[in-house]
Amino acid sequence: GESVGLHLPTLSVQEGDNSIINCAYSNSASDYFIWYKQESGKGPQFIIDIRSNMDKRQGQRVTVLLNKTVKHLSLQIAATQPGDSAVYFCAENRNDYKLSFGAGTTVTVRA
Amino acid sequence: DAGVIQSPRHEVTEMGQEVTLRCKPISGHNSLFWYRQTMMRGLELLIYFNNNVPIDDSGMPEDRFSAKMPNASFSTLKIQPSEPRDSAVYFCASSSGGGRPEQYFGPGTRLTVT
Repeated sequence: GESVGLHLPTLSVQEGDNSIINCAYSNSASDYFIWYKQESGKGPQFIIDIRSNMDKRQGQRVTVLLNKTVKHLSLQIAATQPGDSAVYFCAENRNDYKLSFGAGTTVTVRA
Repeated sequence: DAGVIQSPRHEVTEMGQEVTLRCKPISGHNSLFWYRQTMMRGLELLIYFNNNVPIDDSGMPEDRFSAKMPNASFSTLKIQPSEPRDSAVYFCASSSGGGRPEQYFGPGTRLTVT
């Protein structure tokens, strides 16, 4: 079946380095993608979104890249900080109300 | 601005008891979602309301689960009777619609059924 999935379940990164979190999707009809951050004991928090008519979108220390050719989405975090340690989910929207979530990548920042 | 509010934050109950989870969406949002999160199954959509009307309840596990939204600022998810396999974190989320599908999540209710 069609699904949103993540390439790597865990990512360990040195504080100050850049992080790249990847996500693959299989439904070419998806037109909206979102990255969420979930810290321990909290709900998923909206980070950044991108529509399918864009290739790149930048926020504060974060950049989302969308490659529709290979159905790949990535989240780049610049100068990773200890507070960036969390589980990161990508989610896709197929022009309706539903969000389909990936399994999540656990990011651990090493001091 | 207040985000999505959920109560209680933690609930421990015995099998067979009734459990009621509560949610207050962000003011002005017309869509409300209930999710369940477990390690094994990740985030699962249970039910979706639009303008207080249940639109999609296909994710509700079984008849023991029910949800209501009596007005735009309040929703409940009830489990009766509860079972140990219902133990999970339950999230409520809301969105404004209007072409912006991003959802904003509450802090969740951690339910433990013994």
